Amino acid sequence: AQSVTQLGSHVSVSEGALVLLRCNYSSSVPPYLFWYVQYPNQGLQLLLKYTSAATLVKGINGFEAEFKKSETSFHLTKPSAHMSDAAEYFCAVSDKEYGNKLVFGAGTILRVKS
Amino acid sequence: NAGVTQTPKFRVLKTGQSMTLLCAQDMNHEYMYWYRQDPGMGLRLIHYSVGEGTTAKGEVPDGYNVSRLKKQNFLLGLESAAPSQTSVYFCASSYGSGNSPLHFGNGTRLTVT
Repeated sequence: AQSVTQLGSHVSVSEGALVLLRCNYSSSVPPYLFWYVQYPNQGLQLLLKYTSAATLVKGINGFEAEFKKSETSFHLTKPSAHMSDAAEYFCAVSDKEYGNKLVFGAGTILRVKS
Repeated sequence: NAGVTQTPKFRVLKTGQSMTLLCAQDMNHEYMYWYRQDPGMGLRLIHYSVGEGTTAKGEVPDGYNVSRLKKQNFLLGLESAAPSQTSVYFCASSYGSGNSPLHFGNGTRLTVT
């Protein structure tokens, strides 16, 4: 089965600074990769997804992620953090063992300091 | 747009009690899922359904049952609740599998004492 590792359960950045959230997956050939965001007391919302069309994927709210097959990584970045970016972020990969259903990482809580 | 609606939002059970969580979606999605979210563990798939009348086990199905009698509804049942089932439960739906994004409800916070 697929597994997803998110390095750092908590990340803290200053407003205006670069955001980098790390995600590594277990397979060298993942079918699809996703980033979701969860705001307090809400469900998850899709930020972006990788479907093999391009290695650099742009999402909502200025976020983007780059697929690197050689590193089995799909890190999420944003050039300049905003206070409203404070949330929990989840990386997910589709798993063929469960009919391509999503397997999620443990999540990274992003804190933005003013 | 309602999207995915979960009821109830909160519930407290005593060990051994039973309950059913209801999920309803109005997007005509074929696929529906139940996940549980626990601190430091992300979301884990409990059961899923690929269409009306079908269900399948996910990563952590023990202690739960599900039913999909109608396309728009996906029920999650706990027959005999245990403290280990204290969690936040999320329902999600999608048009297909693979690269179809999931649409999530706002969750049900369940405490079993």
